[in-house]
Amino acid sequence: AQKVTQAQTEISVVEKEDVTLDCVYETRDTTYYLFWYKQPPSGELVFLIRRNSFDEQNEISGRYSWNFQKSTSSFNFTITASQVVDSAVYFCALPDSNYQLIWGAGTKLIIKP
Amino acid sequence: DTEVTQTPKHLVMGMTNKKSLKCEQHMGHRAMYWYKQKAKKPPELMFVYSYEKLSINESVPSRFSPECPNSSLLNLHLHALQPEDSALYLCASSQVRLAGGSSYQETQYFGPGTRLLVL
Repeated sequence: AQKVTQAQTEISVVEKEDVTLDCVYETRDTTYYLFWYKQPPSGELVFLIRRNSFDEQNEISGRYSWNFQKSTSSFNFTITASQVVDSAVYFCALPDSNYQLIWGAGTKLIIKP
Repeated sequence: DTEVTQTPKHLVMGMTNKKSLKCEQHMGHRAMYWYKQKAKKPPELMFVYSYEKLSINESVPSRFSPECPNSSLLNLHLHALQPEDSALYLCASSQVRLAGGSSYQETQYFGPGTRLLVL
């Protein structure tokens, strides 16, 4: 069965610090995708990244970067030089074959000014 | 344009009321979804429409009735709800992968949600 674990329930850092959000997954599929979404207090789930299991290169988008390691079944997300606007709940997700997105429990990130 | 819109943003209703939530997307997506999200939890899938046909119903009580009038619109009709149905209701849409007609690996784009309070 598919499973996504985000062990960090809540992380609090001071603005401008770097922060890494962990995501560990379980799947029996040989080909799969992984997703990260951001949910600010307003409630909207904002798509951040979709990564194919064939592509193990790290992804960088501005202050955001993702480290995908199949060997450890991890897909970690790092925010460099964090800002208050990064405060949100971040979800990692893995699709299963039945339209379902299997979600991690989410990590609440608090960036203090 | 990756925008999914939802109305209303907030809704308060009594247990005997009938109301509807609306969702609209103009990205040409042919799969649309309804999710329910309780506080501090990830979203829970309720319904999936693919090519305007209901393809997934995750054992949702009949007091929730989805409708997909066309490829851009998705409604959720609410009737005789319970206080425990109070939650954030999210709509999403995605491409449908042509091979096999599956969309489960496509990116889902979410609307801002409707915060529902049932009194």
